[in-house]
Amino acid sequence: QKEVEQNSGPLSVPEGAIASLNCTYSDRGSQSFFWYRQYSGKSPELIMFIYSNGDKEDGRFTAQLNKASQYVSLLIRDSQPSDSATYLCAVNAGDMRFGAGTRLTVKP
Amino acid sequence: NAGVMQNPRHLVRRRGQEARLRCSPMKGHSHVYWYRQLPEEGLKFMVYLQKENIIDESGMPKERFSAEFPKEGPSILRIQQVVRGDSAAYFCASSPTQDSTGELFFGEGSRLTVL
Repeated sequence: QKEVEQNSGPLSVPEGAIASLNCTYSDRGSQSFFWYRQYSGKSPELIMFIYSNGDKEDGRFTAQLNKASQYVSLLIRDSQPSDSATYLCAVNAGDMRFGAGTRLTVKP
Repeated sequence: NAGVMQNPRHLVRRRGQEARLRCSPMKGHSHVYWYRQLPEEGLKFMVYLQKENIIDESGMPKERFSAEFPKEGPSILRIQQVVRGDSAAYFCASSPTQDSTGELFFGEGSRLTVL
């Protein structure tokens, strides 16, 4: 069974703070890891992907991967109200499985 | 370059009717996924298809649901004898290959309401 687990949330942070989103996965054969953002009523859109252990930074977003611990996270620095959305962790081990998502609210 | 196209965007059916949802992947993409999303929940994997092949249908209910991706034309998700619990958003996503590093490109979703 290919399981992807995320913090149930909801997560609320003040504007300007760091938001930390976490995800674990069960399939050790997983090769690639993705974070999608989904606004209410919209389709998911890709924010970041990471393939190798360590950190990957893109603007205010940093993805972290630890394959030994089967753990992937997303940090959002200087959070903005426009970052308020549901964040979906996705893991690809031959097919793409998603976590249930963590709802983030950034309060002005 | 058109993205993933899903239609209809909204579909209303009465209990017992059939629902057909269509998905045209991005040009050059030969792999299609279908996901179901209930309100306030994540994306639940249903089926993964390649042209003329079902790769993985482990997330598909055994009864009433079927999917196909013919050589020509869109992928179809078919729900027979719909029940109220089938009301959900159904998202299609495509990728160019089976390469496990590939991201998915999503359509806007088809929202099914069963009365």
